[in-house]
Amino acid sequence: SQKIEQNSEALNIQEGKTATLTCNYTNYSPAYLQWYRQDPGRGPVFLLLIRENEKEKRKERLKVTFDTTLKQSLFHITASQPADSATYLCALRDTDKLIFGTGTRLQVFP
Amino acid sequence: EAGVVQSPRYKIIEKKQPVAFWCNPISGHNTLYWYLQNLGQGPELLIRYENEEAVDDSQLPKDRFSAERLKGVDSTLKIQPAELGDSAVYLCASSLGRSPQKLFFGEGSRLTVL
Repeated sequence: SQKIEQNSEALNIQEGKTATLTCNYTNYSPAYLQWYRQDPGRGPVFLLLIRENEKEKRKERLKVTFDTTLKQSLFHITASQPADSATYLCALRDTDKLIFGTGTRLQVFP
Repeated sequence: EAGVVQSPRYKIIEKKQPVAFWCNPISGHNTLYWYLQNLGQGPELLIRYENEEAVDDSQLPKDRFSAERLKGVDSTLKIQPAELGDSAVYLCASSLGRSPQKLFFGEGSRLTVL
């Protein structure tokens, strides 16, 4: 069966450290993968898109990697801040649909 | 630029009652999506419109759910009758073009069915 897996347990890290979130998928061959941020009571907000032929994408303190062999994407936030605390969702394109993972809650402590 | 607007933000109804949610996408976005998000889960697609045509409604429970996008702009999602299990957040999103390069979401409509 097709699955997108993100760590359901919250990730707690100290301010200034690098947060790394994982997105694994099975039985998909996505053309690209996206990451969204969702704050409580709000809709998801697009952060980054990485295509299947790209290994890495950066935007300010954010970095995403995409390994189609491992079927995995890693999402890094460097120099994390309490304001980065939120749920982060990965989403992959399957034909014309965008399929979302369950999200990982990140808590950054001062 | 105005974002995706949804209303109401919150709705509490008793089971078997009808409910409707409204969405106004970003101006010029021809593709509109309705997603369902349960607590602790990711959004799940209910229906996707390209202009006024529903091009993917395979996940929409058609016995009680209906949607329309008249004139290819704003959209309404209706549930009739609502069941306890329909309690969730209903998210509307829009994008440019058919391929979902980047979705813009509204704040969502939180439904509680008692």
